[in-house]
Amino acid sequence: DGGITQSPKYLFRKEGQNVTLSCEQNLNHDAMYWYRQDPGQGLRLIYYSQIVNDFQKGDIAEGYSVSREKKESFPLTVTSAQKNPTAFYLCASSATPGHQTKNIQYFGAGTRLSVL
Amino acid sequence: KNQVEQSPQSLIILEGKNCTLQCNYTVSPFSNLRWYKQDTGRGPVSLTIMTFSENTKSNGRYTATLDADTKQSSLHITASQLSDSASYICVVSAIFRMDSSYKLIFGSGTRLLVRP
Repeated sequence: DGGITQSPKYLFRKEGQNVTLSCEQNLNHDAMYWYRQDPGQGLRLIYYSQIVNDFQKGDIAEGYSVSREKKESFPLTVTSAQKNPTAFYLCASSATPGHQTKNIQYFGAGTRLSVL
Repeated sequence: KNQVEQSPQSLIILEGKNCTLQCNYTVSPFSNLRWYKQDTGRGPVSLTIMTFSENTKSNGRYTATLDADTKQSSLHITASQLSDSASYICVVSAIFRMDSSYKLIFGSGTRLLVRP
């Protein structure tokens, strides 16, 4: 999975609980992303970060929070405000934050989150 | 509305046969189109990336075509193998020249099963 490590592989959340998904990359990439994947739907962007100490909301940021204190780490917290958190969460990184064809996104193996 | 539609939703073929997956998009302004392969329970892996000026691009037994006029792309798999069983995702990148921001729009994927 191209030097991106997501943990845990499976996670269970109780009602009212916040949980944090880990994403670490050793590719020296500037940009990192969090996506949510639901059955029958395309990936949807939750948050992205173009540089350390900076991040931007994606299309479905409500109920989620992130931090980017280190270049290699971009953890995602699923808060109790996210009422439908059950999904497959994918972290990705790219060398630069851009649309260019050379800017390939590399994905982690994902974390499957379920609600108890 | 920016959309990426893929067909068929699922496909079953016999090992050794060829197949073609379709992607239609209404994304504007168009920057590039990407095909990813996603094994079950894993993150997507990039197969090809094409700009509007490229008609075809190959990666081993995978050949992607792009018709920017009709806004259609196809992914052709030659001499399929059991390891080709996966979801294939079409992703279109839009670039907004006013502020140089960009957006990736993901299709929901075609699930391919290759049987012995």
